[in-house]
Order: sequence, then structure tokens, then C-alpha cells
Amino acid sequence: QAHLVQSGAELKTPGASVKISCKASGFSFSSHYMHWVRQAPGQGLEWMGVINPVGNSRYYEQKFQGRVTMTRDTSTSTLYMELSSLRFEDTAVYYCARDVSSRDLAWWFDPWGQGTLVTVSS
Amino acid sequence: SSELTQDPALSVALGQTVRITCQGDSLRRYYASWYQQKPGQAPILVIYNKNNRPSGIPDRFSGSNSGNTASLTITGAQAEDEADYYCNCRDTGSANRWIFGGGTKLTVL
Repeated sequence: QAHLVQSGAELKTPGASVKISCKASGFSFSSHYMHWVRQAPGQGLEWMGVINPVGNSRYYEQKFQGRVTMTRDTSTSTLYMELSSLRFEDTAVYYCARDVSSRDLAWWFDPWGQGTLVTVSS
Repeated sequence: SSELTQDPALSVALGQTVRITCQGDSLRRYYASWYQQKPGQAPILVIYNKNNRPSGIPDRFSGSNSGNTASLTITGAQAEDEADYYCNCRDTGSANRWIFGGGTKLTVL
């Protein structure tokens, strides 16, 4: 059974960086694209980006370009997301999710990690 | 880039049927997936690949597509279905980008 377990909550000051991990189990980690999604308090889901199975291609939502870096370590089946130059508005729960697709017509995210709360506060 | 539009809130009487819709140009080409999120929990997949349910999702949940609109229907809504629902789709306007609808808060009366 596919499972994703994320690292714990983080408290950061403005301008700092945060790196979140997401450990996969129960599936072939090196066969799947992986996504990051965030959710600010009381807000909806926001797609941040995706990394390909071998980790040499990444596609980021334009608003995060230059501040986000997604990496993966296939030896430990772990995904990482680093967000730099943190702002108050980056306070959110960050989720990792496995990409599954069918015939280039449908994509879905399953499973999701449990979420990591990042709080940016002075 | 494209967007997906959902009604912010809907309500349904216990045992009745409700349809949650999602509109966007990308849905003319790609199927939507649907996610249920309850307070304090991570989203879970409820419908994928047009009208497929993951194991464990009740068969009262179904999906459909027509033109630029995807729909999630709950037939015989239960109290435990009260949650936020999000649609998601790959963006046809920008390569390698995915988009979420704004979410629909469903209240079961």
C-alpha cells in the first residue's frame, strides 16, 4: 500500500529557508512523478510543482520560480522541497503527493502525505 | 494558463443527491480528479480518470464530464460526506502545470 510520510512542523522567520521531506513506501518510488501542493490557513489547495521520476526535470508554478527547489533521493525513496526567502504569506500546510496517470488524458494525486505545517513568524 | 471554477459552497439534505461542478477549458481535453478534505486532514482522492473510485470510496460517489465541465455527484449524501471538495486537472494552457479548483464546501443538513 502506497504511503507518504512527511517531516514535522517548522517555525521560520521571514527571509529564512525551509526544507521539507516526504518519505515514500509501498510503491516503486523511482517510477512516479511527485507533486507538492500547499494550503494556506482557510484557503484552497495550490499546486506548487512536480519532479520527474529520476529527478532531472522539475516544473514549478510560476509564482514560486526562483524560490522553490524540488529534489528526490531514489536510494532512500525520499522527496524534498525547499522554499527560500520565506514570507509571512508562505505560512501554510505543505503536502507531497504521488502522480498517477492514464493514457495522457487523466492524472491524479494519490496518496498524499499527512502535511507539514510551516509557520513564518517574526 | 487556465483556471478551474467551482461553487464556493453547497448544501444537501441527508439522503439526497448533490452535484458539485468544476468548469474550465482544460476539461475539454483532460479528465478531472476529485478530492475530499475534512478539517485538519490531508485531501483524499475520491474520483479519478473520469469515473473511477479508489478502493474504500463508497459507490454513492460518481464522476462525469461534458464539454468544459466535470461533475462529482453524491447520490444519497451521508453526514460523513460533509467536507471540502476540490477538482484538479492538468493545464492545457501551460505545459507541465496542474490546477486546482477553488473548492466547494459541502454541508449536509
